Amino acid sequence: KQEVTQIPAALSVPEGENLVLNCSFTDSAIYNLQWFRQDPGKGLTSLLLIQSSQREQTSGRLNASLDKSSGRSTLYIAASQPGDSATYLCAVRPSSNTGKLIFGQGTTLQVKP
Amino acid sequence: DAGVIQSPRHEVTEMGQEVTLRCKPISGHDYLFWYRQTMMRGLELLIYFNNNVPIDDSGMPEDRFSAKMPNASFSTLKIQPSEPRDSAVYFCASSKMGGRATSEQFFGPGTRLTVL
Repeated sequence: KQEVTQIPAALSVPEGENLVLNCSFTDSAIYNLQWFRQDPGKGLTSLLLIQSSQREQTSGRLNASLDKSSGRSTLYIAASQPGDSATYLCAVRPSSNTGKLIFGQGTTLQVKP
Repeated sequence: DAGVIQSPRHEVTEMGQEVTLRCKPISGHDYLFWYRQTMMRGLELLIYFNNNVPIDDSGMPEDRFSAKMPNASFSTLKIQPSEPRDSAVYFCASSKMGGRATSEQFFGPGTRLTVL
């Protein structure tokens, strides 16, 4: 059974720091992995999607990497800003035969001015 | 595009009442998902549809929950009768997975349900 874990559950950093959020999954046979952002009281916003054949994806100050063999993905945020404060969730799609996503519990990030 | 639209945004009801949540997916998307989010259990998939057909309902907690998708632009999630433990935020999401689509899922703003 695929399980997705995100550590730490919460993180607080000063503005301007570069930071890394971690996501691990137990079954390396995945189809793709997606990173989301959730602001308090809001829905999820898709940040990046990495296909299983890819190693990384970049969007602005965000870079997501994928290492299938070790069951890990990281989300790198460069030059963090207070506006980056939110909960970040990763989700794994196990195979192309299912549309199902399996979510981690998320990392709540606070960037202090 | 307006994105995924959900209604109502907030619902407060009493135990035993019927609750109906509504979702309009992004036009052209062929998959629709219903999720539930709670502090204790995080984000859980309840059911998803492909081309209006239910594909996987293994996450539906009990027979009190039912979902329908009568056409490509509308879906409902119904709880009857509702119980206090159903209190949660319910999200609808849609995606396009055919052809060269990346299968990225797009979420609605959610419906916050409180059952008293």
